[in-house]
Amino acid sequence: AQKITQTQPGMFVQEKEAVTLDCTYDTSDQSYGLFWYKQPSSGEMIFLIYQGSYDEQNATEGRYSLNFQKARKSANLVISASQLGDSAMYFCAMTPRERSQGNLIFGKGTKLSVKP
Amino acid sequence: SAVISQKPSRDICQRGTSLTIQCQVDSQVTMMFWYRQQPGQSLTLIATANQGSEATYESGFVIDKFPISRPNLTFSTLTVSNMSPEDSSIYLCSVGTSGTYNEQFFGPGTRLTVL
Repeated sequence: AQKITQTQPGMFVQEKEAVTLDCTYDTSDQSYGLFWYKQPSSGEMIFLIYQGSYDEQNATEGRYSLNFQKARKSANLVISASQLGDSAMYFCAMTPRERSQGNLIFGKGTKLSVKP
Repeated sequence: SAVISQKPSRDICQRGTSLTIQCQVDSQVTMMFWYRQQPGQSLTLIATANQGSEATYESGFVIDKFPISRPNLTFSTLTVSNMSPEDSSIYLCSVGTSGTYNEQFFGPGTRLTVL
């Protein structure tokens, strides 16, 4: 069975600094997909970034990048130049097959607080 | 990306009643899903809403408690039946799109409080 582990319940970062949110996963599948979502206090889930297990390059989307280390089964999210609006819950998730849709398995999340 | 709307955005209901949540997408999508997020918890998949056939439920969720309809490729409903306070959660609709890479988008969610 697949499992996502986020070991940081809460993180603080100073505005304009970079922050890394940790995510490790456990799967026996060779093909899988990894996602990061942001959930502000309003409750909506905002898609940030996706990494496929066969993607050779680390995914990047603007200030977000995914540090994918397949051998270590880690998919850490790096947010550069933090902004006050980045304060939110962040969830790491995976799908059991790289191109599958559905059955996202989520970690418990990390609450990020950006200090001015 | 797909634009997803949900109705209602929030509701307060009495124990024993039922609530139907609607999910509307601005484009045709193959896959639609319903998730539950209990207070302070992560998201858990309830079921996959299949167009033209019965929904596929995850372990721990049953059709009698969470009946789902999917009459077409842009719309789905989730009903929370015979509610109890334990059903107080955020219910989120999600859709999958396929492009150059896999994407899954979520609706704004429905905040349900059961008294």
